[in-house]
Amino acid sequence: GAVVSQHPSRVICKSGTSVKIECRSLDFQATTMFWYRQFPKQSLMLMATSNEGSKATYEQGVEKDKFLINHASLTLSTLTVTSAHPEDSSFYICSASGGGGEKLFFGSGTQLSVL
Amino acid sequence: AQKITQTQPGMFVQEKEAVTLDCTYDTSDQSYGLFWYKQPSSGEMIFLIYQGSYDEQNATEGRYSLNFQKARKSANLVISASQLGDSAMYFCAMREGWNTGNQFYFGTGTSLTVIP
Repeated sequence: GAVVSQHPSRVICKSGTSVKIECRSLDFQATTMFWYRQFPKQSLMLMATSNEGSKATYEQGVEKDKFLINHASLTLSTLTVTSAHPEDSSFYICSASGGGGEKLFFGSGTQLSVL
Repeated sequence: AQKITQTQPGMFVQEKEAVTLDCTYDTSDQSYGLFWYKQPSSGEMIFLIYQGSYDEQNATEGRYSLNFQKARKSANLVISASQLGDSAMYFCAMREGWNTGNQFYFGTGTSLTVIP
């Protein structure tokens, strides 16, 4: 089946630094990628929808200057958390749609801890 | 209104028994897809089963089956012969329409614990 690779799986950073998370579709072209944030024991919260070659569409309440999304190719989308603060600590998970099927394929997630 | 409702925050089941996880959905679209994902403690989201709105037969994938009742707008997941490895969070999800760019709506999840 289709595979989505997400890196890093875990990152610890100091407050004020920026962190980049990569999401790659390994064996299919992902026309659309979704970025989610998940707090412990809660559901996935959609942050933004990323389409290749165009600007991401952000959900209400998500700061686009804070969470920069780039979808430069059909196999790669990146999420950069700029000037991270402790309140940005969370589990971030990407997903990709495409490959001719109806499923949504997920990366393995990134646990971000900002000190 | 919530698009996806999961009313069971936590469920327990004895090993080798069957368990049903409830899911109801809300949409006015005729075309939609319903999904179940499993999220173990590692965090990854594992696709389990899919049901299209026009599918007349209930979907089955191994020990998983989806009890699709369109008139009631319910899409319950049935896990047969529960195993210890089934302990995880389970999320029901829906996508309206067939466009791969349409977002998925997720429920709040059900935490399943399989008791030996």
